Amino acid sequence: DAGVIQSPRHEVTEMGQEVTLRCKPISGHDYLFWYRQTMMRGLELLIYFNNNVPIDDSGMPEDRFSAKMPNASFSTLKIQPSEPRDSAVYFCASSWGISSPLHFGNGTRLTVT
Amino acid sequence: AQTVTQSQPEMSVQEAETVTLSCTYDTSENNYYLFWYKQPPSRQMILVIRQEAYKQQNATENRFSVNFQKAAKSFSLKISDSQLGDTAMYFCAFDSPRGSSNTGKLIFGQGTTLQVKP
Repeated sequence: DAGVIQSPRHEVTEMGQEVTLRCKPISGHDYLFWYRQTMMRGLELLIYFNNNVPIDDSGMPEDRFSAKMPNASFSTLKIQPSEPRDSAVYFCASSWGISSPLHFGNGTRLTVT
Repeated sequence: AQTVTQSQPEMSVQEAETVTLSCTYDTSENNYYLFWYKQPPSRQMILVIRQEAYKQQNATENRFSVNFQKAAKSFSLKISDSQLGDTAMYFCAFDSPRGSSNTGKLIFGQGTTLQVKP
């Protein structure tokens, strides 16, 4: 199993630009989570899906953030327009059912200048 | 609301020695899950160990074991025979009971950076 795959690994962009982060969960997993990690706030849950349906997006910081899961094997997190304070490591994680631990991807380090 | 606290920002240990990382949490739930995750410099979050609150027996995974004190809401991680590859940041995390509206919304502590010295 290849694990949770995230792309790109690093992203550097200028303020105001649109950024799209991508995630491929582990095959068969029906839960998908997006987390953000910063020095100041630690690890925070942004949004999670169950069977491709968004269940809880209360952690999404602003309307500039949006997430989609068009099918069971792909999800995107989009920031438009990006701002320097969005700089962070963004993790995608997946799990199967309601009793298994989360498996994390390697994260995307986003830098907005 | 649930909270997770790791009071040791940094720790160090000599190779082959034993080290214990502390974690406390606050919840009104009776059944829940606790985890320790490791984040090496490669950045990936790796599950180290998992404890179900209704189980009294402490979880063990090879050199890693926990001391789960439910009444005290304490969940420490013991690493025995420390190895250089254990150098990483360690996160304690809490998960609500499965089936609750907060399922899967892991709440993480701030992390403890562990350095294993040769």
